[in-house]
Amino acid sequence: GESVGLHLPTLSVQEGDNSIINCAYSNSASDYFIWYKQESGKGPQFIIDIRSNMDKRQGQRVTVLLNKTVKHLSLQIAATQPGDSAVYFCAENPSGSYQLTFGKGTKLSVIP
Amino acid sequence: NAGVTQTPKFQVLKTGQSMTLQCAQDMNHNSMYWYRQDPGMGLRLIYYSASEGTTDKGEVPNGYNVSRLNKREFSLRLESAAPSQTSVYFCASRDPPVREQFFGPGTRLTVL
Repeated sequence: GESVGLHLPTLSVQEGDNSIINCAYSNSASDYFIWYKQESGKGPQFIIDIRSNMDKRQGQRVTVLLNKTVKHLSLQIAATQPGDSAVYFCAENPSGSYQLTFGKGTKLSVIP
Repeated sequence: NAGVTQTPKFQVLKTGQSMTLQCAQDMNHNSMYWYRQDPGMGLRLIYYSASEGTTDKGEVPNGYNVSRLNKREFSLRLESAAPSQTSVYFCASRDPPVREQFFGPGTRLTVL
């Protein structure tokens, strides 16, 4: 899920399939993680968050999984729809810090 | 509730010109943030204000100044714009201890 340079990783999925977007984080002190969705020309929009005392959290059609051992997050979107096409960012926040550190994003394209 | 608003939406500057990007939030949030987003990249923190009356540098503060005018408003100033400051600028706010940040729609800035 992490990009290098100017090219975002892209995930293409068929409408109705499930999507999995991955993210590696770097700071062992991070205890809060958040996923944002960004549609073209818009600001990031909150999807779901998770604290480090959990390894899974579910929302409406979305699930976030956290593996602290390997510092890895994933976002699962069930029954992906064309409206899910966007760039997805994970972000981490260490305890006591005001700052979120963002990953570089993954572009999800849904094929109708 | 408008949430987080930003003005202007678009701006073109010549090298050396100055300008101020405006941000306002109507959610009574204590903390406010300025980020920049470059093509294919995640968001990078420029400055933040943990509460009214305080400001702190983020990851990429050089070439920018900020003012927390009051609880609602947080402005970002470019004193002498450079082409490297061509980017999309996002303002965000949050209400500690809640960790989710709410984003504005962005300002697209081009420096020629």
